[in-house]
Amino acid sequence: ETGVTQSPTHLIKTRGQQVTLRCSSQSGHNTVSWYQQALGQGPQFIFQYYREEENGRGNFPPRFSGLQFPNYSSELNVNALELDDSALYLCASSRRQGAGTEAFFGQGTRLTVV
Amino acid sequence: RKEVEQDPGPFNVPEGATVAFNCTYSNSASQSFFWYRQDCRKEPKLLMSVYSSGNEDGRFTAQLNRASQYISLLIRDSKLSDSATYLCVVRGSNYKLTFGKGTLLTVNP
Repeated sequence: ETGVTQSPTHLIKTRGQQVTLRCSSQSGHNTVSWYQQALGQGPQFIFQYYREEENGRGNFPPRFSGLQFPNYSSELNVNALELDDSALYLCASSRRQGAGTEAFFGQGTRLTVV
Repeated sequence: RKEVEQDPGPFNVPEGATVAFNCTYSNSASQSFFWYRQDCRKEPKLLMSVYSSGNEDGRFTAQLNRASQYISLLIRDSKLSDSATYLCVVRGSNYKLTFGKGTLLTVNP
Protein backbone atom coordinates (compact mmCIF):
# COMPACT_ATOMS: atom_id res chain seq x y z
CA GLU A 1 0.00 0.00 0.00
CA THR A 2 1.29 3.44 -0.95
CA GLY A 3 -0.67 5.39 1.64
CA VAL A 4 -2.22 7.48 -1.14
CA THR A 5 -5.98 7.08 -1.31
CA GLN A 6 -8.38 8.35 -3.92
CA SER A 7 -12.14 8.58 -3.93
CA PRO A 8 -14.37 7.57 -5.46
CA THR A 9 -12.89 4.53 -7.23
CA HIS A 10 -15.44 4.61 -10.03
CA LEU A 11 -17.78 7.28 -11.27
CA ILE A 12 -20.25 7.69 -14.12
CA LYS A 13 -21.25 11.21 -15.16
CA THR A 14 -23.24 12.75 -17.97
CA ARG A 15 -21.73 15.08 -20.54
CA GLY A 16 -21.89 18.67 -19.31
CA GLN A 17 -21.86 17.78 -15.63
CA GLN A 18 -19.16 18.66 -13.13
CA VAL A 19 -17.09 16.23 -11.06
CA THR A 20 -14.80 16.43 -8.04
CA LEU A 21 -12.20 13.78 -7.37
CA ARG A 22 -10.32 13.54 -4.07
CA CYS A 23 -6.87 12.43 -3.02
CA SER A 24 -5.29 11.95 0.38
CA SER A 25 -1.53 12.09 0.14
CA GLN A 26 0.93 9.95 2.02
CA SER A 27 1.90 11.25 5.45
CA GLY A 28 4.78 13.72 5.24
CA HIS A 29 4.30 14.41 1.53
CA ASN A 30 3.76 18.04 0.55
CA THR A 31 3.42 17.71 -3.22
CA VAL A 32 0.45 16.27 -5.08
CA SER A 33 0.21 15.79 -8.83
CA TRP A 34 -2.75 14.73 -10.93
CA TYR A 35 -2.58 12.66 -14.11
CA GLN A 36 -5.10 11.56 -16.70
CA GLN A 37 -4.64 8.16 -18.28
CA ALA A 38 -6.76 7.35 -21.30
CA LEU A 39 -7.12 3.75 -22.39
CA GLY A 40 -3.95 2.45 -24.01
CA GLN A 41 -1.95 5.58 -23.18
CA GLY A 42 0.55 6.59 -20.55
CA PRO A 43 -0.54 8.99 -17.81
CA GLN A 44 -0.60 12.66 -18.86
CA PHE A 45 0.30 15.39 -16.39
CA ILE A 46 -2.61 17.68 -15.50
CA PHE A 47 -1.13 19.85 -12.74
CA GLN A 48 0.82 19.80 -9.53
CA TYR A 49 0.28 21.40 -6.13
CA TYR A 50 3.02 22.23 -3.69
CA ARG A 51 2.17 23.76 -0.32
CA GLU A 52 -1.36 24.64 -1.48
CA GLU A 53 -0.24 26.50 -4.62
CA GLU A 54 -0.47 25.30 -8.22
CA ASN A 55 3.10 24.66 -9.29
CA GLY A 56 3.03 23.54 -12.88
CA ARG A 57 0.31 22.66 -15.34
CA GLY A 58 0.12 20.39 -18.35
CA ASN A 59 -1.78 20.92 -21.58
CA PHE A 60 -5.28 20.81 -20.10
CA PRO A 61 -8.01 23.46 -20.46
CA PRO A 62 -9.07 25.73 -17.57
CA ARG A 63 -12.15 23.60 -16.87
CA PHE A 64 -9.67 21.29 -15.12
CA SER A 65 -8.93 22.93 -11.79
CA GLY A 66 -7.67 21.84 -8.41
CA LEU A 67 -7.04 22.59 -4.80
CA GLN A 68 -4.63 21.49 -2.15
CA PHE A 69 -5.56 21.77 1.51
CA PRO A 70 -3.38 22.51 4.55
CA ASN A 71 -3.17 18.77 5.30
CA TYR A 72 -1.85 18.36 1.72
CA SER A 73 -4.87 16.42 0.51
CA SER A 74 -6.13 17.55 -2.87
CA GLU A 75 -9.12 17.81 -5.16
CA LEU A 76 -9.39 17.74 -8.93
CA ASN A 77 -12.45 19.45 -10.38
CA VAL A 78 -13.58 19.08 -13.96
CA ASN A 79 -16.38 21.27 -15.30
CA ALA A 80 -18.49 20.81 -18.42
CA LEU A 81 -17.52 17.18 -18.81
CA GLU A 82 -16.87 15.88 -22.30
CA LEU A 83 -16.91 12.30 -23.54
CA ASP A 84 -13.12 12.44 -24.01
CA ASP A 85 -12.70 13.10 -20.30
CA SER A 86 -13.43 9.42 -19.72
CA ALA A 87 -10.19 8.08 -18.26
CA LEU A 88 -8.39 6.85 -15.18
CA TYR A 89 -7.43 9.83 -13.01
CA LEU A 90 -4.37 9.26 -10.90
CA CYS A 91 -3.07 11.22 -7.98
CA ALA A 92 0.59 11.01 -6.96
CA SER A 93 2.16 12.35 -3.80
CA SER A 94 5.78 13.01 -3.08
CA ARG A 95 8.09 14.91 -0.78
CA ARG A 96 10.36 17.51 -2.31
CA GLN A 97 13.73 16.22 -1.32
CA GLY A 98 15.86 16.19 -4.40
CA ALA A 99 15.54 14.86 -7.90
CA GLY A 100 15.39 11.23 -6.87
CA THR A 101 12.26 11.60 -4.76
CA GLU A 102 9.80 8.83 -5.50
CA ALA A 103 6.18 9.61 -6.36
CA PHE A 104 3.57 7.26 -4.97
CA PHE A 105 0.32 6.79 -6.85
CA GLY A 106 -3.15 6.20 -5.55
CA GLN A 107 -5.29 3.47 -7.06
CA GLY A 108 -7.03 5.99 -9.30
CA THR A 109 -10.57 7.06 -10.05
CA ARG A 110 -12.08 5.62 -13.19
CA LEU A 111 -14.37 8.25 -14.69
CA THR A 112 -16.83 7.40 -17.42
CA VAL A 113 -18.67 10.23 -19.17
CA VAL A 114 -21.77 9.21 -21.10
CA ARG B 1 8.56 14.53 -31.43
CA LYS B 2 7.01 13.04 -28.30
CA GLU B 3 8.72 13.88 -25.03
CA VAL B 4 9.15 10.20 -24.12
CA GLU B 5 8.96 7.44 -26.72
CA GLN B 6 8.97 3.74 -26.05
CA ASP B 7 8.94 0.56 -28.12
CA PRO B 8 5.29 0.17 -29.13
CA GLY B 9 5.08 -3.54 -28.31
CA PRO B 10 3.34 -5.67 -27.33
CA PHE B 11 5.98 -8.20 -26.40
CA ASN B 12 5.05 -11.85 -26.00
CA VAL B 13 7.84 -14.01 -24.59
CA PRO B 14 8.14 -17.47 -23.04
CA GLU B 15 9.06 -17.94 -19.40
CA GLY B 16 12.79 -17.71 -18.90
CA ALA B 17 13.37 -15.37 -21.83
CA THR B 18 15.33 -12.14 -21.68
CA VAL B 19 13.44 -9.07 -22.83
CA ALA B 20 14.67 -5.53 -23.42
CA PHE B 21 12.69 -2.30 -23.40
CA ASN B 22 13.99 0.86 -25.02
CA CYS B 23 13.03 4.45 -24.47
CA THR B 24 14.19 7.86 -25.73
CA TYR B 25 13.44 11.29 -24.31
CA SER B 26 13.57 14.68 -25.96
CA ASN B 27 14.34 17.11 -23.13
CA SER B 28 18.05 17.16 -22.46
CA ALA B 29 17.42 19.04 -19.19
CA SER B 30 15.58 16.06 -17.70
CA GLN B 31 16.93 15.20 -14.29
CA SER B 32 15.58 11.86 -13.13
CA PHE B 33 14.62 8.69 -14.88
CA PHE B 34 12.48 5.76 -13.84
CA TRP B 35 10.80 2.60 -14.97
CA TYR B 36 7.30 2.07 -13.61
CA ARG B 37 5.23 -1.06 -13.87
CA GLN B 38 1.47 -0.98 -14.30
CA ASP B 39 -0.73 -4.02 -13.95
CA CYS B 40 -4.05 -4.11 -15.78
CA ARG B 41 -6.48 -1.53 -14.35
CA LYS B 42 -4.12 -0.67 -11.50
CA GLU B 43 -1.97 2.32 -10.65
CA PRO B 44 1.65 2.64 -11.83
CA LYS B 45 4.25 1.46 -9.33
CA LEU B 46 7.91 2.31 -9.28
CA LEU B 47 10.01 -0.58 -10.55
CA MET B 48 13.37 1.14 -10.37
CA SER B 49 15.15 4.42 -10.76
CA VAL B 50 17.73 4.67 -13.54
CA TYR B 51 21.21 6.07 -12.99
CA SER B 52 23.95 7.02 -15.43
CA SER B 53 26.20 4.34 -14.03
CA GLY B 54 23.56 1.70 -14.68
CA ASN B 55 21.87 -0.19 -11.91
CA GLU B 56 20.64 -3.68 -11.25
CA ASP B 57 17.97 -5.11 -9.01
CA GLY B 58 17.86 -8.88 -9.17
CA ARG B 59 16.73 -9.86 -12.65
CA PHE B 60 16.22 -6.24 -13.70
CA THR B 61 18.94 -4.00 -15.15
CA ALA B 62 18.43 -0.36 -16.13
CA GLN B 63 20.76 1.82 -18.17
CA LEU B 64 20.82 5.52 -18.96
CA ASN B 65 22.79 7.21 -21.73
CA ARG B 66 22.43 10.97 -21.27
CA ALA B 67 24.36 11.78 -24.44
CA SER B 68 21.95 9.75 -26.55
CA GLN B 69 18.96 10.54 -24.33
CA TYR B 70 18.24 6.84 -24.17
CA ILE B 71 17.00 4.62 -21.35
CA SER B 72 16.72 0.85 -21.29
CA LEU B 73 15.37 -1.91 -19.10
CA LEU B 74 16.46 -5.52 -19.33
CA ILE B 75 14.53 -8.33 -17.67
CA ARG B 76 16.32 -11.66 -17.42
CA ASP B 77 14.72 -15.04 -16.75
CA SER B 78 11.18 -13.70 -17.27
CA LYS B 79 8.48 -14.91 -14.90
CA LEU B 80 4.73 -15.10 -15.48
CA SER B 81 4.38 -12.43 -12.81
CA ASP B 82 6.42 -9.98 -14.93
CA SER B 83 3.44 -9.64 -17.28
CA ALA B 84 2.45 -5.98 -17.12
CA THR B 85 2.84 -2.68 -18.93
CA TYR B 86 6.24 -1.07 -18.46
CA LEU B 87 6.31 2.71 -18.46
CA CYS B 88 9.40 4.79 -19.12
CA VAL B 89 9.24 7.97 -17.02
CA VAL B 90 11.30 11.16 -17.03
CA ARG B 91 11.23 13.98 -14.50
CA GLY B 92 12.38 17.57 -14.93
CA SER B 93 13.38 20.16 -12.38
CA ASN B 94 9.73 21.00 -11.73
CA TYR B 95 9.06 17.47 -10.44
CA LYS B 96 6.57 16.81 -13.25
CA LEU B 97 6.65 13.19 -14.43
CA THR B 98 6.43 12.60 -18.17
CA PHE B 99 5.40 9.10 -19.14
CA GLY B 100 5.89 7.12 -22.28
CA LYS B 101 2.92 5.32 -23.73
CA GLY B 102 4.03 2.06 -22.15
CA THR B 103 4.97 -1.32 -23.53
CA LEU B 104 2.82 -4.33 -22.74
CA LEU B 105 4.71 -7.48 -21.82
CA THR B 106 3.05 -10.89 -21.69
CA VAL B 107 5.13 -13.78 -20.40
CA ASN B 108 3.72 -17.11 -21.51
CA PRO B 109 4.09 -20.50 -19.78
